[in-house]
Amino acid sequence: DGGITQSPKYLFRKEGQNVTLSCEQNLNHDAMYWYRQDPGQGLRLIYYSQIVNDFQKGDIAEGYSVSREKKESFPLTVTSAQKNPTAFYLCASSIVHLAKNIQYFGAGTRLSVL
Amino acid sequence: KQEVTQIPAALSVPEGENLVLNCSFTDSAIYNLQWFRQDPGKGLTSLLLIQSSQREQTSGRLNASLDKSSGRSTLYIAASQPGDSATYLCAVTVNAGKSTFGDGTTLTVKP
Repeated sequence: DGGITQSPKYLFRKEGQNVTLSCEQNLNHDAMYWYRQDPGQGLRLIYYSQIVNDFQKGDIAEGYSVSREKKESFPLTVTSAQKNPTAFYLCASSIVHLAKNIQYFGAGTRLSVL
Repeated sequence: KQEVTQIPAALSVPEGENLVLNCSFTDSAIYNLQWFRQDPGKGLTSLLLIQSSQREQTSGRLNASLDKSSGRSTLYIAASQPGDSATYLCAVTVNAGKSTFGDGTTLTVKP
């Protein structure tokens, strides 16, 4: 069963705490992405990676960090510096191609602040 | 900065009606445009991708068109069904790895 697995489905963060969202893919894609979605809005890019051990900031990277040590995995850490972390977080992957990069998405992680 | 707009924000139609969803973007220097479907509380599912050199793509009852010069795309849904009820988002790829999304159109198809 090929696809993208995000865990956990729901996550709660206490003030001052760092939390890590998991994203794993078995599609053999080189590119992976993290997006944030707020209610009634589209997706905003947090970080993306096109190759292992390399990643780039998106439009709203402040307060977030990522790593890409394996092709299959792209975890996102929401740090205590992110003052408004409550949102729906989506991970995606694609081939690396400017015109043919169909993005495949996971089911998402909903993060709330306690 | 690329901006993507989807109008209307919400649309309600009776079952069987043909309908058109609109997407506009401000910078025509795009590599592709994608249409996605999102069910409540779920991830996105890719419906159609139109490369910048193409004018349209079709999949089943869906047809998407692209007019780069005017910065517009439309998603045509034929013979709508209640199962088509969802939020439809469009996104443009502006450079390597970066896509800009619209806020989506929430479609309700009434039986």
